[in-house]
Amino acid sequence: DSGVTQTPKHLITATGQRVTLRCSPRSGDLSVYWYQQSLDQGLQFLIQYYNGEERAKGNILERFSAQQFPDLHSELNLSSLELGDSALYFCASSDRGGTEAFFGQGTRLTVV
Amino acid sequence: GESVGLHLPTLSVQEGDNSIINCAYSNSASDYFIWYKQESGKGPQFIIDIRSNMDKRQGQRVTVLLNKTVKHLSLQIAATQPGDSAVYFCAENRPGATNKLIFGTGTLLAVQP
Repeated sequence: DSGVTQTPKHLITATGQRVTLRCSPRSGDLSVYWYQQSLDQGLQFLIQYYNGEERAKGNILERFSAQQFPDLHSELNLSSLELGDSALYFCASSDRGGTEAFFGQGTRLTVV
Repeated sequence: GESVGLHLPTLSVQEGDNSIINCAYSNSASDYFIWYKQESGKGPQFIIDIRSNMDKRQGQRVTVLLNKTVKHLSLQIAATQPGDSAVYFCAENRPGATNKLIFGTGTLLAVQP
């Protein structure tokens, strides 16, 4: 158990809908990262937050957004969903940059 | 562009043999590298890391080698076991204000009994 909790584990929704994925980082970790993993693909960095502030953006679509709350949990919002958004979405946390990141078990999103 | 790539997408080895998984990185400023193991249906799990001021680091049955001259990273697994079957990713840390991890595309290690 990495200590990073993601909910829900599975999500099935229709095209055009909006979903929210939730991540609770390890206790004490200030950095939260979101990654997207499509079938048989690597991990694509989406966005990073550090202590409530956005730190870095990767290949994140404008339809996607995220935030980190004062209690350090984070949410990834995906809107106007398309079939191609179906993927595993991972959250990871670390205490600071330049160290290993611990991953949650992921949320499997299926858009039908 | 930004990329960390792997030479071999799939590696098949016999149980008991040693495995070597390779990775090339593109940013010479990267200062920290990590190998992750991802089993089917699970999140990536940390295996071993190495900082750029080192060229070798050993763990339990695993060794990571770093060659900064050619920007190459490798993961060696000794006496490979069926439980080692997974996808292995290398990741590099881009230093600076963000310190984000950039992942390679992964190598599937298949251990044959």
